[in-house]
Amino acid sequence: DAGVIQSPRHEVTEMGQEVTLRCKPISGHNSLFWYRQTMMRGLELLIYFNNNVPIDDSGMPEDRFSAKMPNASFSTLKIQPSEPRDSAVYFCASQPVRPGGDTQYFGPGTRLTVL
Amino acid sequence: SQKIEQNSEALNIQEGKTATLTCNYTNYSPAYLQWYRQDPGRGPVFLLLIRENEKEKRKERLKVTFDTTLKQSLFHITASQPADSATYLCALGVAGNTPLVFGKGTRLSVIA
Repeated sequence: DAGVIQSPRHEVTEMGQEVTLRCKPISGHNSLFWYRQTMMRGLELLIYFNNNVPIDDSGMPEDRFSAKMPNASFSTLKIQPSEPRDSAVYFCASQPVRPGGDTQYFGPGTRLTVL
Repeated sequence: SQKIEQNSEALNIQEGKTATLTCNYTNYSPAYLQWYRQDPGRGPVFLLLIRENEKEKRKERLKVTFDTTLKQSLFHITASQPADSATYLCALGVAGNTPLVFGKGTRLSVIA
């Protein structure tokens, strides 16, 4: 299994530009999570999906952020327009749905720099 | 307010010693707790899960304890090696299929 795949690995853009981050979860996993990690705030949950349906997007910082999961094998996180304070590492993670808790499998992350 | 605190941002330890990392939480009632390892430039990787009714879990040189009265988990690495140098994150899980909540992590450096 290739694990969770994210692209691009690095993104440098200018303020005001649209940024789209992509994620392919592990096949068979029912839940998908988008996180943002910074030194100051650590790992913050932005939004998560169960069976392709967004369940909780309360962590999305502003309306500039949006996420979609059109099918079980693909999700996007879009920032429009981007701002310098959006600079961070963005992780996607997937998880099989089993009662009693289970582990999350993280992708390698996308390092976003907004100039 | 709900809070998860890991004992320090950075911990330096000599090779061969036991490293002990702490995770404290307030205003949570976790059903389980997990520990993850994160290397620079990579995503976190799962290490161990311990449930609320378990006191201790072991895996090779790793040991995790969970005290729901103290609201604390301890993560031990015995006979530490330079290859154990990484950031270690604790994460709380509550009942049901709600997301994990992560601490900020402790950066461990094992010095040869």
